[in-house]
Amino acid sequence: DAKTTQPPSMDCAEGRAANLPCNHSTISGNEYVYWYRQIHSQGPQYIIHGLKNNETNEMASLIITEDRKSSTLILPHATLRDTAVYYCIVRVGVKDDYKLSFGAGTTVTVRA
Amino acid sequence: NAGVTQTPKFRVLKTGQSMTLLCAQDMNHEYMYWYRQDPGMGLRLIHYSVGEGTTAKGEVPDGYNVSRLKKQNFLLGLESAAPSQTSVYFCASSYPGLGSGRGYPYNEQFFGPGTRLTVL
Repeated sequence: DAKTTQPPSMDCAEGRAANLPCNHSTISGNEYVYWYRQIHSQGPQYIIHGLKNNETNEMASLIITEDRKSSTLILPHATLRDTAVYYCIVRVGVKDDYKLSFGAGTTVTVRA
Repeated sequence: NAGVTQTPKFRVLKTGQSMTLLCAQDMNHEYMYWYRQDPGMGLRLIHYSVGEGTTAKGEVPDGYNVSRLKKQNFLLGLESAAPSQTSVYFCASSYPGLGSGRGYPYNEQFFGPGTRLTVL
């Protein structure tokens, strides 16, 4: 699996956009970038995933660089409820390769 | 839809005791997983199952056994609990299979609320 590197922590002001970086310089052509988050004491929650193109859903946007060596998760209007640990995971997205490896992630604190 | 549920939510064991954690999902998912999470760390995969009657070892399988007798249930057993197994245990499920009517990515896993286990 491609290894990912995330900053250990970051702060964000409520109502502002939160930009979470992730480096995955050894990513392979068939590996997807997944983002999950874990709010305190709860199970992780899927946010978004992408392969090459930028992706957007109701929770967040995912921007992947053209060389695919890094990506940014954007929470457009952070709220206090977005305070969580965010995990960037790179994985082949096919049926027989479904296991995820959770690293330490980025602890995001949204401040009022 | 209850999603993924775990029983019990909390448990305290003495060293050497045994117990079984139950995970149930009502989404008709093919794949199920057991993870453990120690303080300040990410999740580590213990065992997983790709279908009823099948199980496989994950990253940290020692000291645990699993069974998947029914598609909707995945059991995690500790035969002889040790203090090193004090952790939070999360169950997850994924992949609804053919005919689900929804294009899940294969790695969109749905997690349960966790079981907090303390072994004294």
